[in-house]
Amino acid sequence: NAGVTQTPKFQVLKTGQSMTLQCAQDMNHNSMYWYRQDPGMGLRLIYYSASEGTTDKGEVPNGYNVSRLNKREFSLRLESAAPSQTSVYFCASSKGFQGSANTGELFFGEGSRLTVL
Amino acid sequence: DQQVKQNSPSLSVQEGRISILNCDYTNSMFDYFLWYKKYPAEGPTFLISISSIKDKNEDGRFTVFLNKSAKHLSLHIVPSQPGDSAVYFCAASASNAGNMLTFGGGTRLMVKP
Repeated sequence: NAGVTQTPKFQVLKTGQSMTLQCAQDMNHNSMYWYRQDPGMGLRLIYYSASEGTTDKGEVPNGYNVSRLNKREFSLRLESAAPSQTSVYFCASSKGFQGSANTGELFFGEGSRLTVL
Repeated sequence: DQQVKQNSPSLSVQEGRISILNCDYTNSMFDYFLWYKKYPAEGPTFLISISSIKDKNEDGRFTVFLNKSAKHLSLHIVPSQPGDSAVYFCAASASNAGNMLTFGGGTRLMVKP
């Protein structure tokens, strides 16, 4: 049972380059999310998709775009990478919406460590 | 301004003793609270949660206490084990604000054998 799978696990980019982080879940969850984790900042929500066909901005969306390709897949794109986007990125999914009692438990992928030089 | 704060970046505890991790929040509308545990090179995993209608929730060695008047919650681990060494994040949400989760900055727990 794979759960939430993210690729790639590591990536080094130069400023201005673009890339896409891929995420897929096999739990038939409705909601999917992209977070970034920075030291002392906890997890901050970049974008989310409450259900297939919808996407919305989270707390820190600037410089990112997302695509909910189908119910399983949710990708995060950096169009023109900046050093401030150096971080660890986590994809997550949940049956109901995050924060909802009983159904909002988030299941996270292993993370993608991105360095922008 | 961080609405959920974990003021202790790290905590060191002897194996077998109690670990107490603290979390403070400022938004009085938060009504659901969760703790996640994260090992290095892994994603966070759900540990335990509590609704604001309760003041305590217990699951094995883990107990979460909620003090609404103080806007404070704590996670107790008894007895602590070396395998509990990880980063712990608390998170909170408000059901009348779309259930968006807000995470604290995390506390690194080290349990020494």
